[in-house]
Amino acid sequence: AQKVTQAQTEISVVEKEDVTLDCVYETRDTTYYLFWYKQPPSGELVFLIRRNSFDEQNEISGRYSWNFQKSTSSFNFTITASQVVDSAVYFCALSGENTGFQKLVFGTGTRLLVSP
Amino acid sequence: DAMVIQNPRYQVTQFGKPVTLSCSQTLNHNVMYWYQQKSSQAPKLLFHYYDKDFNNEADTPDNFQSRRPNTSFCFLDIRSPGLGDAAMYLCATSRPQGIGEKLFFGSGTQLSVL
Repeated sequence: AQKVTQAQTEISVVEKEDVTLDCVYETRDTTYYLFWYKQPPSGELVFLIRRNSFDEQNEISGRYSWNFQKSTSSFNFTITASQVVDSAVYFCALSGENTGFQKLVFGTGTRLLVSP
Repeated sequence: DAMVIQNPRYQVTQFGKPVTLSCSQTLNHNVMYWYQQKSSQAPKLLFHYYDKDFNNEADTPDNFQSRRPNTSFCFLDIRSPGLGDAAMYLCATSRPQGIGEKLFFGSGTQLSVL
């Protein structure tokens, strides 16, 4: 079975602090994709990044970085120098070859509150 | 420019009174999805369309139906809403490229059942 666990329900930081959001996944698929989506107060989920199971190269995009480690089944997300606009709920998600066509299995999300 | 548009943003209905939520897209994507997201929970896939092919999730209640009259529009019909159906309903689209394709979401419709 596919499962995504985001153990952190809510994180509060002060602006300019670095923050890491944890994501641990379970799958028996050999081929799978991991995603991060952001859900601001406006409601729509916004795609941030995807990684396939054969690509463990970590990625940095501006203030965002992602650390994918198959050995620990983790796909963690770090925001450097957080800003108030980063306040949102962040979802980690998984899609696997045996999940079903395009079916994303989401974690329960981590609410990030960045205060000035 | 909005690419996946959901109307209305907020919908209030009465217990047992049928309600329809709508979604339109300007992306010309083949695949459209409906997700249900209850408060502080993960979005849960209800069903999806690949063109006109309807794919229902095994645990989606019969109370939920969907229609896709053309590529641009998709509707979610709740035949007899119960209190437990109060949730945010998210529409999403994607290209049919495989399991790694990203989804584009609308802003959702928050449904309240009185």
